[in-house]
Amino acid sequence: DAKTTQPTSMDCAEGRAANLPCNHSTISGNEYVYWYRQIHSQGPQYIIHGLKNNETNEMASLIITEDRKSSTLILPHATLRDTAVYYCIVRAVNTNAGKSTFGDGTTLTVKP
Amino acid sequence: DAGVTQSPTHLIKTRGQHVTLRCSPISGHKSVSWYQQVLGQGPQFIFQYYEKEERGRGNFPDRFSARQFPNYSSELNVNALLLGDSALYLCASSPSRLTSGDTGELFFGEGSRLTVL
Repeated sequence: DAKTTQPTSMDCAEGRAANLPCNHSTISGNEYVYWYRQIHSQGPQYIIHGLKNNETNEMASLIITEDRKSSTLILPHATLRDTAVYYCIVRAVNTNAGKSTFGDGTTLTVKP
Repeated sequence: DAGVTQSPTHLIKTRGQHVTLRCSPISGHKSVSWYQQVLGQGPQFIFQYYEKEERGRGNFPDRFSARQFPNYSSELNVNALLLGDSALYLCASSPSRLTSGDTGELFFGEGSRLTVL
């Protein structure tokens, strides 16, 4: 699986959009980008994933650059409950479903 | 529907002891994976089991072992505990063994927090 690079920490004002970047410059053509978040003392929670097109669901939007070497997770209206560690993961299709390589993620702090 | 359940939620052991952690996957999920999360770091992959067979193993010593039962629940065993084994142990389930374009989402439990003194 390709390696990802994320900033260690970010702050965001409540009600504003939180934009979390991820660099995955060595991504291969069959690798998807996944985002998870982990609220303190809980297990990681899936947010969204994509291959090359931008994706949106009820939690967030995922913007993947055209060359697929980086992506941005967007929380459109951050709330205090969005304070968490956010992990960007790259995984290939038809690989071991249970194995994901997590980095140390980005600690997002949403401030009132 | 119940999510992934793990037990115990917290436990304290002393060095040299043995520990068994348990995990029940989401109903219908046949793949169970175990992760270790040391404070301040991301989860590290330990094992994956599918249909009662080990399908993947991370870079952990032989003191770590696991098994999966016919009902797809799983146990993680750690022998000869070291101080460095203190961590949050996470179990994750998924419907299938391999990812596809529409799957690959892992469903995590709340974890078992192990403290080794």
